[in-house]
Amino acid sequence: DTAVSQTPKYLVTQMGNDKSIKCEQNLGHDTMYWYKQDSKKFLKIMFSYNNKELIINETVPNRFSPKSPDKAHLNLHINSLELGDSAVYFCASSQTGGGTEAFFGQGTRLTVV
Amino acid sequence: EDQVTQSPEALRLQEGESSSLNCSYTVSGLRGLFWYRQDPGKGPEFLFTLYSAGEEKEKERLKATLTKKESFLHITAPKPEDSATYLCAVQTTSGTYKYIFGTGTRLKVLA
Repeated sequence: DTAVSQTPKYLVTQMGNDKSIKCEQNLGHDTMYWYKQDSKKFLKIMFSYNNKELIINETVPNRFSPKSPDKAHLNLHINSLELGDSAVYFCASSQTGGGTEAFFGQGTRLTVV
Repeated sequence: EDQVTQSPEALRLQEGESSSLNCSYTVSGLRGLFWYRQDPGKGPEFLFTLYSAGEEKEKERLKATLTKKESFLHITAPKPEDSATYLCAVQTTSGTYKYIFGTGTRLKVLA
């Protein structure tokens, strides 16, 4: 059973398109995250939701819009894709309250051409 | 500003050659420090959590230690399968629960 699963694993699209990435966790966690990993492997927080409520929104262009329909799901929609959006996007989840590890999905490699 | 720095950026070891990876951090208050391993094309995989200075955790050939300013991941007699990128992250007491990551150390163990 995959704890945190993302779809799709690979996404190749043209500039200007709109795309979505889906994430689901079956760990019963209340907090979910989106991270972006650049070509140098640096993981940067984008958003975090706690029980469907947005709690972290780090200076991300408003072309990126997260949505959490329930606490087990967190999706990421990206409008008007740009070349600079090419990266690997990771979904993660953790228990609320902090101090425990986050579990990561396998990542979605987005390539904008 | 909360910050995490890892060194070296890359490390090549011969099989059996022990070494240490460093994670230096500057935070207002530490809730936890986490070590992850990331293989190519995969998500980070959790290794250890450390909470307070002096704490140590061990798993097979890996041992993580923590001081008030840095953490070390010691690798004893590494094998080629230990090759991966090792990531360090901190979670602060500031109120949100984000994990702040370092840039990682790319480890290559040669047979």
